Amino acid sequence: SQTIHQWPATLVQPVGSPLSLECTVEGTSNPNLYWYRQAAGRGLQLLFYSVGIGQISSEVPQNLSASRPQDRQFILSSKKLLLSDSGFYLCAWSRTGVNSGNTIYFGEGSWLTVV
Amino acid sequence: QKEVEQNSGPLSVPEGAIASLNCTYSDRGSQSFFWYRQYSGKSPELIMFIYSNGDKEDGRFTAQLNKASQYVSLLIRDSQPSDSATYLCAVTLGGGGGFKTIFGAGTRLFVKA
Repeated sequence: SQTIHQWPATLVQPVGSPLSLECTVEGTSNPNLYWYRQAAGRGLQLLFYSVGIGQISSEVPQNLSASRPQDRQFILSSKKLLLSDSGFYLCAWSRTGVNSGNTIYFGEGSWLTVV
Repeated sequence: QKEVEQNSGPLSVPEGAIASLNCTYSDRGSQSFFWYRQYSGKSPELIMFIYSNGDKEDGRFTAQLNKASQYVSLLIRDSQPSDSATYLCAVTLGGGGGFKTIFGAGTRLFVKA
C-alpha cells in the first residue's frame, strides 16, 4: 500500500528565517506530487505541483520554492519567511496515468507558525 | 481564474437527518470531482470521487454530478455526530491542467445529537 510522510509536524520560526519541509511517498513510483497551504479558517491553496523529477510548476508567486530531487521526495523551502507564510502545509500525491482520475492523497500536514 | 465555490456554512442538522452539501465549479472542462472530509487540525481524507453525470452511492454517502450546470453535491444519510467536520469539494482541471486539483474553501457541518 502507498503511504506519504511529511515532516516536521509542527514548527515555530522567526520572521526572516529559512524553511524546509520534506515529504516522501512510499509504495508507488512516478507519482504526481503537490504542496498545498491552508491558512487559518480558509481553503486549500495549491502552491506547487510536480509530474516528475526536477519538474516543478508554481501556482502562486511568493517567497516559497519547491524541489523534487528524487522520484518520491518533494521539498518545500523558503530563504526568508514572512508572517503571512504561517499556515498548515500539506504534501500530497496522486497516481499518474490517463485513467487515474487524479485522486489526491494527503500527508499528515505541517503546522508552521512564523513569529 | 479557475474556481470552486462552496457555502461556508455552518450547516447544522440533527442526528439521523440528511445533510446536503453543494459545490459549483467554473472550469467547464473539468473531468474529476472529489469530496473530502477534514476534521479540525487534521489533513483531508477522501470520501468519494465521481467522474460521470448522475449519482454515485457509497454507504451513507451519495455524490451527484451535473456537468451541464457545473454542480456537484454530497448527501449524507443518517447523519451522525462523528460526521461533524469540514467538507471540501475538489475539482481536477481539464485540458492542460489535468494534473491540477483545486479545492473549495469547505462547508462546516455540525450534526447535533
